[in-house]
Amino acid sequence: EVHLVQSGGGLVQPGGSLRLSCAASGFTFGSYWMSWVRQTPGRGLEWVANIKKDGSEKYYAGSVKGRFTISRDNAQNSLYLEMNSLRVEDTAVYYCVRMFYYFEYWGQGTLVAVSS
Amino acid sequence: EIVLTQSPDFLSVTPKEKVTITCRASQTVGTSLHWYQQKPGQSPSLLIKYSSQSISGVPSRFSGSGSGTDFTLTINGLEAEDVAAYYCHQSSSLPVTFGGGTKLEI
Repeated sequence: EVHLVQSGGGLVQPGGSLRLSCAASGFTFGSYWMSWVRQTPGRGLEWVANIKKDGSEKYYAGSVKGRFTISRDNAQNSLYLEMNSLRVEDTAVYYCVRMFYYFEYWGQGTLVAVSS
Repeated sequence: EIVLTQSPDFLSVTPKEKVTITCRASQTVGTSLHWYQQKPGQSPSLLIKYSSQSISGVPSRFSGSGSGTDFTLTINGLEAEDVAAYYCHQSSSLPVTFGGGTKLEI
């Protein structure tokens, strides 16, 4: 059974940094693209970033490009999202997602709150 | 960026009825349109892929149709457990985008 267990998140001040982690199990992690997707009551679901199976390609939403970095460690079956220069509008529940072209399996979500 | 417009935003439903949710894309996405269900307090889950392809474990009362710019999610014989928000998503081009969601309420 596929499991994606997220950690990290919390309250941070504007301009601050945070790192999200996602531990994968139940499948061959290095055989799948992975994504981060976020959700807010106001903006709904929003794709954040994708990373290729071997980490050689990464794609970002325009709203986070240059501030967020997606990475993975296939030996540790883990996905990461490094978030810098955080803004109030980055406040959201962030989901780790295994993807093909659709979002197949979702983590439990972790809340990131950016506020002074 | 492809904009997905779902309708309605909210729908008051009764058990056993047939429910139809639509998703319209601002430009063609072929059949690269997928549907998700999100129950209260839970993460979204994949419901239908590529417009009409079923997902293992998803009840057969859920079906999808459409291509190009107009898509439909149908629930034949709504059950109480189907009360949730439903989202469409296009993977035709980056950035991938989601519809605003349709929330079903009994």
